[in-house]
Amino acid sequence: QVYLVESGGGLVKPGGSLRLSCAASGFTFSDYYMGWIRQAPGKGLEWVSYISSSHATYYADAVKGRFTISRDNDMNSLYLQMNSLRPEDTALYYCAKDAAYRSVAFDYWGRGALVTVSS
Amino acid sequence: SYEMTQPPSVTVSPGQTARITCSGETLPKQFVYWYQQKSGQAPVLVIYKDTERPSGIPERFSGSSSGTTVTLTISGVQAEDEADYYCQSADSSGLYVIFGGGTKLTVL
Repeated sequence: QVYLVESGGGLVKPGGSLRLSCAASGFTFSDYYMGWIRQAPGKGLEWVSYISSSHATYYADAVKGRFTISRDNDMNSLYLQMNSLRPEDTALYYCAKDAAYRSVAFDYWGRGALVTVSS
Repeated sequence: SYEMTQPPSVTVSPGQTARITCSGETLPKQFVYWYQQKSGQAPVLVIYKDTERPSGIPERFSGSSSGTTVTLTISGVQAEDEADYYCQSADSSGLYVIFGGGTKLTVL
């Protein structure tokens, strides 16, 4: 059974930083791409970033240069370092596992970590 | 920037067929994936690579593709199918993930 559990969300002031973590289990973590997708309150899904099994990284334009995705295959963990946070970054952040369908798609999702950016 | 367009809402009666479209210029070259998100829950993948159905997804869910438009069809809609549905694909490079704006399916 695949499990993805996010942690590290919270309230932060504009310009501040936060680091999200995602603990994975139930599959060979090192074999799969992993991603972060966010959802602002009452809004749709927005892709944030993903990282390949070989640590190549890709970012949405909205977060490029401010967010950094990383992974620790020994710890079966995914991370998202978020710097220079803005109010528009307020969202539920989902960790998701790639389905390995050749192009990136997500077959398992966590329950999300809420990030609120407000003064 | 690249976008994919979905209708904001679709309403059907129980037992009818619901069709949700997703349009984008790269869709002839990139696979499309569909997710169902019920209120307060994480998304669930219901269609992959345009037309394939993951194990555990009911047969009433199907996908089709024609040119720059893909369609999620739910045959014999049930009340439990009421949810938001999102298409997902990639830009022309295949490297950057794009979600459609989502369609709220209401079963009245």
